[in-house]
Amino acid sequence: EPEVTQTPSHQVTQMGQEVILRCVPISNHLYFYWYRQILGQKVEFLVSFYNNEISEKSEIFDDQFSVERPDGSNFTLKIRSTKLEDSAMYFCASSRDRDRTGELFFGEGSRLTVL
Amino acid sequence: AQSVTQLGSHVSVSEGALVLLRCNYSSSVPPYLFWYVQYPNQGLQLLLKYTSAATLVKGINGFEAEFKKSETSFHLTKPSAHMSDAAEYFCAVSPSGGSNYKLTFGKGTLLTVNP
Repeated sequence: EPEVTQTPSHQVTQMGQEVILRCVPISNHLYFYWYRQILGQKVEFLVSFYNNEISEKSEIFDDQFSVERPDGSNFTLKIRSTKLEDSAMYFCASSRDRDRTGELFFGEGSRLTVL
Repeated sequence: AQSVTQLGSHVSVSEGALVLLRCNYSSSVPPYLFWYVQYPNQGLQLLLKYTSAATLVKGINGFEAEFKKSETSFHLTKPSAHMSDAAEYFCAVSPSGGSNYKLTFGKGTLLTVNP
């Protein structure tokens, strides 16, 4: 069964360091997303990405965040200078269809701990 | 704007008992509604979704949910709990007029099933 894969599963970093979280979406999917869940809080939408550009982003997704699809298979989330409050589980997701007739598939998540 | 409230962060049932997980939503436009399940160390998996067709929606693993506009509810039920149903369940809403999977999630309900 096709799946979204994410690496690393857990990353510990020092405040102020750059972090890149990687995702391999399902191969025929065209729409890509990042969500995050701070411990004990709701899963929150960060950004959606289509046709090599951001289609929508939340107010959480400030200038410290960026996304990229560097090679046609990976989809990355970069946090330029991590803060303590960036500690969370980050979920990548992908879908084939734009209009939600199909399913949104999530990866298992990357847990980021900022010290 | 949309929001989701899941009543009860933790629900405990006996094996074979009815499962009822509550979800109320707020949406300024007709919503699409979703239930996701997360098993330990796994990603979010779609259980079922409502996209303005039948108000009673059947999903995987014997779960179903009924969209009740008058009550702004989308409660998840299963007639008879199995041990394998133990997981965290998330209700989510998306505006029907939108064009991507920008979901607003509830805080989740942890379901435990006792033998």
